[in-house]
Amino acid sequence: QQQVKQSPQSLIVQKGGIPIINCAYENTAFDYFPWYQQFPGKGPALLIAIRPDVSEKKEGRFTISFNKSAKQFSLHIMDSQPGDSATYFCAASRGAQKLVFGQGTRLTINP
Amino acid sequence: EADIYQTPRYLVIGTGKKITLECSQTMGHDKMYWYQQDPGMELHLIHYSYGVNSTEKGDLSSESTVSRIRTEHFPLTLESARPSHTSQYLCASQKAGSSYNEQFFGPGTRLTVL
Repeated sequence: QQQVKQSPQSLIVQKGGIPIINCAYENTAFDYFPWYQQFPGKGPALLIAIRPDVSEKKEGRFTISFNKSAKQFSLHIMDSQPGDSATYFCAASRGAQKLVFGQGTRLTINP
Repeated sequence: EADIYQTPRYLVIGTGKKITLECSQTMGHDKMYWYQQDPGMELHLIHYSYGVNSTEKGDLSSESTVSRIRTEHFPLTLESARPSHTSQYLCASQKAGSSYNEQFFGPGTRLTVL
């Protein structure tokens, strides 16, 4: 019930392509869904987040799509660049409870 | 730029040694966390604290212990290190109040136990 399942585990995309990373959850009480980005040698950092009252949120080239009925949400990166190569984590939480992280996706954008 | 620091960044030690990984933040955050990150990337919560003198075990069982005597400081201690403790350890902090507040992560300590 507390798990967040993330896929794929790794993804390789050509520059300019649109990588899509998917996450699924079981707990319908989750009310906050952030994505974190981690570069090698660094800790994760918040990239973008969404709440379940909206179906989509955009910040620059990054978009979260949220499907409440399917209990799924995804990250899309428009016009991807080599500098976007990183590990991405989805997460979810309920109220003041701890974040539950997905398993991570290692994204590589080839030039 | 998040004001959360971890020392050392890299540590190589022998089996049986006692070690303390340091984590400090200057943001006045009440909530602090320790995660263990395995080579496969996944983040495992091993300890957390919601304030001074408050510590809880996380979802992944760990032989480490933590203390929270000061708001800004959340050290993690291994009394007797073993090769199975080899991993990346990440500290994070979060402002109390709203669950929507961002977690700020430190750069991590990469621990190798020989």
